[in-house]
Amino acid sequence: GQQLNQSPQSMFIQEGEDVSMNCTSSSIFNTWLWYKQDPGEGPVLLIALYKAGELTSNGRLTAQFGITRKDSFLNISASIPSDVGIYFCAGQLVFSSGSARQLTFGSGTQLTVLP
Amino acid sequence: DSGVTQTPKHLITATGQRVTLRCSPRSGDLSVYWYQQSLDQGLQFLIQYYNGEERAKGNILERFSAQQFPDLHSELNLSSLELGDSALYFCASSPSDNRLPTRLNIQYFGAGTRLSVL
Repeated sequence: GQQLNQSPQSMFIQEGEDVSMNCTSSSIFNTWLWYKQDPGEGPVLLIALYKAGELTSNGRLTAQFGITRKDSFLNISASIPSDVGIYFCAGQLVFSSGSARQLTFGSGTQLTVLP
Repeated sequence: DSGVTQTPKHLITATGQRVTLRCSPRSGDLSVYWYQQSLDQGLQFLIQYYNGEERAKGNILERFSAQQFPDLHSELNLSSLELGDSALYFCASSPSDNRLPTRLNIQYFGAGTRLSVL
């Protein structure tokens, strides 16, 4: 089945620093999603990408859909304490008919922001 | 608040037992998805129901089963529990099934049920 490799597994950064994490796949996706999971909560959608090469921002978050359709990255600028959590990428293969396979999730990046 | 409600929040049980996890989707959503999140496996898709019918199956064990009721709430039944079944179980809902474009069919997750099998 499809595999997603997400890196790094964990990051410790100082408040105010920028963060970058990425996902790579052994096969292509045509939709990439980035979720954040706070402790004790379910994943919340941050950014969705639907086209190869697409660059999308949501406040301090920027994500890109790789040209090869096998990778995506998420950048967080000027990190703040509430950025702490686990970030997941998810890929989805959507067919020309419009139907889609289920989401495949990466293993997550645990982000810790130090004051 | 995503609008997806899962109960109970925590469940502690013994090996060999059977438990039922419950999920109420967002108002108007017809699809319910179940995921398992364990420490070493990340989020694994288990099963999807759409308007009462099973729509897709993932890595769901034969000891596990689910159903979606006419009021669209869903239950995940886990039986003959083993230590390795200890995990967070998430339910997500979306407006439709996979025939709708993803941008119109975003999944919203509940807060999860933490299952501990002792």
